Amino acid sequence: ETGVTQSPTHLIKTRGQQVTLRCSSQSGHNTVSWYQQALGQGPQFIFQYYREEENGRGNFPPRFSGLQFPNYSSELNVNALELDDSALYLCASSFGASGESYNEQFFGPGTRLTVL
Amino acid sequence: SQKIEQNSEALNIQEGKTATLTCNYTNYSPAYLQWYRQDPGRGPVFLLLIRENEKEKRKERLKVTFDTTLKQSLFHITASQPADSATYLCAPRGDNDMRFGAGTRLTVKP
Repeated sequence: ETGVTQSPTHLIKTRGQQVTLRCSSQSGHNTVSWYQQALGQGPQFIFQYYREEENGRGNFPPRFSGLQFPNYSSELNVNALELDDSALYLCASSFGASGESYNEQFFGPGTRLTVL
Repeated sequence: SQKIEQNSEALNIQEGKTATLTCNYTNYSPAYLQWYRQDPGRGPVFLLLIRENEKEKRKERLKVTFDTTLKQSLFHITASQPADSATYLCAPRGDNDMRFGAGTRLTVKP
């Protein structure tokens, strides 16, 4: 059984560019959630995907979008990058039914995005 | 508005003592509450889940309480060790509610 993996580990972009971050879920998990974590803050919920459908969204603008694939891996896309988008982006996978928020989440190591 | 507040940003204690971390939430009623540990540069790691109908949950040196009247959870680490030094995050959860508190950074000194 492999854990949650994310790529790339680090990324540097300039303001206005677009970025795609990738996440491979833990084997057997059908749900993936994405979080943004600024330095010294707790993870902020971006959105969740359950069986390839968006299943919940936090307070993030539409330029944050995502996909979940049939193998339950996932992508986070951010368009028109802003300086404030600089953060650690965490992916978490879990197994459960739609709407269940209490299932144990398994987090990846994160992608550190720097926007210059 | 709904808020999750964890006590002091940082907590320093001596090895062997009990660490007590607090999580308060306002303006909502989570059915579950999770606690996670996060080490620098790593993703959070799940520790414990407690349900609203459970008053207390234990796992080895960890103990969590959940008081739905006070809207508060307490997280205790007994016989603390330097290896317990990390940031601890609480996550009160309702349906489709995936939020975390800001965390409390615990330092256990030898």
